[in-house]
Amino acid sequence: NAGVMQNPRHLVRRRGQEARLRCSPMKGHSHVYWYRQLPEEGLKFMVYLQKENIIDESGMPKERFSAEFPKEGPSILRIQQVVRGDSAAYFCASSPVRGGLSGDTQYFGPGTRLTVL
Amino acid sequence: SQQGEEDPQALSIQEGENATMNCSYKTSINNLQWYRQNSGRGLVHLILIRSNEREKHSGRLRVTLDTSKKSSSLLITASRAADTASYFCATDTGRRALTFGSGTRLQVQP
Repeated sequence: NAGVMQNPRHLVRRRGQEARLRCSPMKGHSHVYWYRQLPEEGLKFMVYLQKENIIDESGMPKERFSAEFPKEGPSILRIQQVVRGDSAAYFCASSPVRGGLSGDTQYFGPGTRLTVL
Repeated sequence: SQQGEEDPQALSIQEGENATMNCSYKTSINNLQWYRQNSGRGLVHLILIRSNEREKHSGRLRVTLDTSKKSSSLLITASRAADTASYFCATDTGRRALTFGSGTRLQVQP
């Protein structure tokens, strides 16, 4: 059973270009989360999606960032007109359908390291 | 301070010693999770402890949770050089979005 897959692992973009980050959740998982990690810091939540629905995007910057999780295919985090401050590691996590009050473990992918020149 | 703060920020010990890391948080939680991250790599889930649990064990790991003090601790016993990594606590308040602290950087000297 493959884990969470992310690609590309490394992405270099020039200022003003677009970055597309992909995430394939673990088999059987219908919940996807995106987090951003700046150097020497913890992860910061960006967005939580289920198939075809954005459930919580409270951590997403208001401009230039968007996310989707279509019925078929991977989840996509899209950053338009990238700036140097977007340079970070972007992690995707997935979890199965929640069972009860206890919540579910989130399983993380290896991340995409975005560098904006 | 933000939800999920680890203490200490950095810890250096000798192989074979125990390592204890603490995490404090602000709001009520459904569960608290500990993760490990090797330099430049993704996160590996270590253990999840629910709000109605007080202690949990997994191999050389022992996690405690004190909801009255809003704190948790992670104990790694008989540490190994391979345990060198950053350790993060993450809280789930029921929104499903995890809130991470800034981590404890553990260095185990062989």
